[in-house]
Amino acid sequence: AQTVTQSQPEMSVQEAETVTLSCTYDTSESDYYLFWYKQPPSRQMILVIRQEAYKQQNATENRFSVNFQKAAKSFSLKISDSQLGDAAMYFCAYRSGETSGSRLTFGEGTQLTVNP
Amino acid sequence: AAGVIQSPRHLIKEKRETATLKCYPIPRHDTVYWYQQGPGQDPQFLISFYEKMQSDKGSIPDRFSAQQFSDYHSELNMSSLELGDSALYFCASSAQERDWLAGSRAVEDTQYFGPGTRLTVL
Repeated sequence: AQTVTQSQPEMSVQEAETVTLSCTYDTSESDYYLFWYKQPPSRQMILVIRQEAYKQQNATENRFSVNFQKAAKSFSLKISDSQLGDAAMYFCAYRSGETSGSRLTFGEGTQLTVNP
Repeated sequence: AAGVIQSPRHLIKEKRETATLKCYPIPRHDTVYWYQQGPGQDPQFLISFYEKMQSDKGSIPDRFSAQQFSDYHSELNMSSLELGDSALYFCASSAQERDWLAGSRAVEDTQYFGPGTRLTVL
């Protein structure tokens, strides 16, 4: 079974600065996808960014980028120019790419605080 | 853009009662997923349906059942409710597409979540 680990229960960053959230995973599959979801106080689960395992290029979405190290099974999220609205719980998630309708397996989450 | 719709948004039940949660996926999405998130926990997968057939099953109690209908909406039925069933229940939807860049086996189906149904069992 696949596992996802987020070793930082809490992180904080000053507004306008950069922060990196860590995530590691364990799998024996070759086809898979990795995601970061954000859950603000509203509890809505919002997709932040997606990475395909077969792609060597790291995904970017505006101020959000990932550092995907496939051999090390590491998938960190970098948030640049942090904004107050970035404060939320961030979940790293894994999904198998080998079957239809397969589940997301989440890490424990990292609570990000943005200080003004 | 249209999003996943869940109803009701809040539900309060007594122990041993039943509850039905509904999910309406994003238009043209053919797969729905159900997750349960307890307080301070990450979402736990319950069950998923692709083209009205169960496609994956997680740690869903036998007291729970779910199905996907011909219009692709899904319902999660929960019976003999227990205090521990109090949680936020998410539905997510996706559209199955072959990820040809990855190879013929790979399936791309990014999941988009609804706002959740908060179930409280008293």
